[in-house]
Amino acid sequence: GEDVEQSLFLSVREGDSSVINCTYTDSSSTYLYWYKQEPGAGLQLLTYIFSNMDMKQDQRLTVLLNKKDKHLSLRIADTQTGDSAIYFCAESIDNQGGKLIFGQGTELSVKP
Amino acid sequence: KAGVTQTPRYLIKTRGQQVTLSCSPISGHRSVSWYQQTPGQGLQFLFEYFSETQRNKGNFPGRFSGRQFSNSRSEMNVSTLELGDSALYLCASSLKGASSGANVLTFGAGSRLTVL
Repeated sequence: GEDVEQSLFLSVREGDSSVINCTYTDSSSTYLYWYKQEPGAGLQLLTYIFSNMDMKQDQRLTVLLNKKDKHLSLRIADTQTGDSAIYFCAESIDNQGGKLIFGQGTELSVKP
Repeated sequence: KAGVTQTPRYLIKTRGQQVTLSCSPISGHRSVSWYQQTPGQGLQFLFEYFSETQRNKGNFPGRFSGRQFSNSRSEMNVSTLELGDSALYLCASSLKGASSGANVLTFGAGSRLTVL
């Protein structure tokens, strides 16, 4: 079945690294995504990774994918107060068009 | 380049009424998807339209419907509103025509519906 799970809260100090974790169940996932949602706003795509890749780096963001364990993580280096938001992981299944399955979201709080 | 525009941003309805929400995708995007976001259920897929055809549908009752026009603008309608329909309704557009490849969605700011 299709299910994506995340821990609900994460609190870090400014300048530290943040690691947000996600697990998924569907082995036919093709792409996995990370979105960010700030208060009162829609979702903003941060990055995505193809399911056959292990890692993807984009500036301060590093995505790690362990396909065997169906585990995805997002590392934010040098976390800033502006990174405080809710982070969603999501998966897409091949041949299901625009349908993404989202996790519940992880609320990241960055303390100065 | 204009983003995804959703109207209205906020609305209040009473039980039993119906509501229509509108979404204008990014110019050139032919796919429009709709999601419902609530504190309890999170983000749930409603449906996706591509070239005026519904391509995929989530697990929502028939009271939820949508359509897409020839200019790719989309509307969703909820009839016989219930208290549980109170939510943020998000629209997203993408270029994605083929069924494979990364599905890069650009989201609008949402329409916040309150049902009293």
